[in-house]
Amino acid sequence: AQKVTQAQTEISVVEKEDVTLDCVYETRDTTYYLFWYKQPPSGELVFLIRRNSFDEQNEISGRYSWNFQKSTSSFNFTITASQVVDSAVYFCALTLFRNYGGSQGNLIFGKGTKLSVKP
Amino acid sequence: DAGVTQSPTHLIKTRGQQVTLRCSPKSGHDTVSWYQQALGQGPQFIFQYYEEEERQRGNFPDRFSGHQFPNYSSELNVNALLLGDSALYLCASSLVGGGPREQFFGPGTRLTVL
Repeated sequence: AQKVTQAQTEISVVEKEDVTLDCVYETRDTTYYLFWYKQPPSGELVFLIRRNSFDEQNEISGRYSWNFQKSTSSFNFTITASQVVDSAVYFCALTLFRNYGGSQGNLIFGKGTKLSVKP
Repeated sequence: DAGVTQSPTHLIKTRGQQVTLRCSPKSGHDTVSWYQQALGQGPQFIFQYYEEEERQRGNFPDRFSGHQFPNYSSELNVNALLLGDSALYLCASSLVGGGPREQFFGPGTRLTVL
């Protein structure tokens, strides 16, 4: 069975601190995709990144960076110099390629990490 | 370019009633997925529609049903409501092709069952 674990339920930091959100996934499939979404208080999930299982390159986008390590089944997300606007719940999600048969695979979400950035 | 829209925003029902939630996908998208998000939890996949057919289904009872229309919009129906059905219901749209792509989510419908 597939599973996504976000062990950190809540994290609180002061503005300008760096923060890393952990994500550990479980699957026996070799082809899968990993995602990160942000859910601000408004409720709408906002897509941040997609990574397939064959691409282990780390990615940086502005203050955001992602570290994908297949050896430890982890896909961690780091925010550098956090800002108050980063306060939200962040979800890591997994989908299997074999679910993709002419339609998009269903997303398996972790329980989320609530990030509070204080001024 | 309109994103994913959902209606209504909030809904209050009593146990045993039936409810219909609606979703219009992002312009150009042909696939709609529905998720249930209980308070403090991650979204859980209910089902997915493509070409007006249910293509995948999560671990939800038959009380949950859906429909997709020729214009790609979709409805989620829940019969015989239970208190445990209280949740945020999210609709997501995407476009077929090129491997699983990002799903664009709507703002959700907050359903409260009393």
